[in-house]
Amino acid sequence: GENVEQHPSTLSVQEGDSAVIKCTYSDSASNYFPWYKQELGKGPQLIIDIRSNVGEKKDQRIAVTLNKTAKHFSLHITETQPEDSAVYFCAAYPEGYRSGGSYIPTFGRGTSLIVHP
Amino acid sequence: DAGITQSPRYKITETGRQVTLMCHQTWSHSYMFWYRQDLGHGLRLIYYSAAADITDKGEVPDGYVVSRSKTENFPLTLESATRSQTSVYFCASIDGANTGELFFGEGSRLTVL
Repeated sequence: GENVEQHPSTLSVQEGDSAVIKCTYSDSASNYFPWYKQELGKGPQLIIDIRSNVGEKKDQRIAVTLNKTAKHFSLHITETQPEDSAVYFCAAYPEGYRSGGSYIPTFGRGTSLIVHP
Repeated sequence: DAGITQSPRYKITETGRQVTLMCHQTWSHSYMFWYRQDLGHGLRLIYYSAAADITDKGEVPDGYVVSRSKTENFPLTLESATRSQTSVYFCASIDGANTGELFFGEGSRLTVL
């Protein structure tokens, strides 16, 4: 099955700095790589995703890059703000209906991002 | 309101008791999941369901039972709760037809004394 490794487990930055979280995956059948943000006391919410036919995707201050050959993908947050403080999860899985795979997401263990004002 | 809702949000029970956590979604998503979240372990899959009456084990299914008689409901039952089942439980669903995005409920915090 799929195995997803996520690093670092904790990341502390100053407001305005950039933050990078990295994930590696093992199953070459995975073609969908979402990132979820979990604020305290809430369920995770999708913030950005990337599919295997794309190398990079941006949405304002956040971006995700994918290296299929090396089987790793990263989340980049620029100009961090205190409200970016949360736990971030990466995931990898085959996006079922189109690829014939199954929607069984495998998550990394999460990164606690702390942005100091 | 459309969405995915879990109940109860907080539950305290004793070892050996049966507990059922409820999950209801209003989108008619095919796939539904139960995860538990523990410090240092991230989100671990307990059970999932691809459709009504179809369920399968995830990574940590021992001590849990699920059912899915209707597409919109996916209850999780701890038949005889143990202290190791103290955790935060998240239900989630996937659209499937259009996107692989997972939609999570707000979580159910369970404490087993």
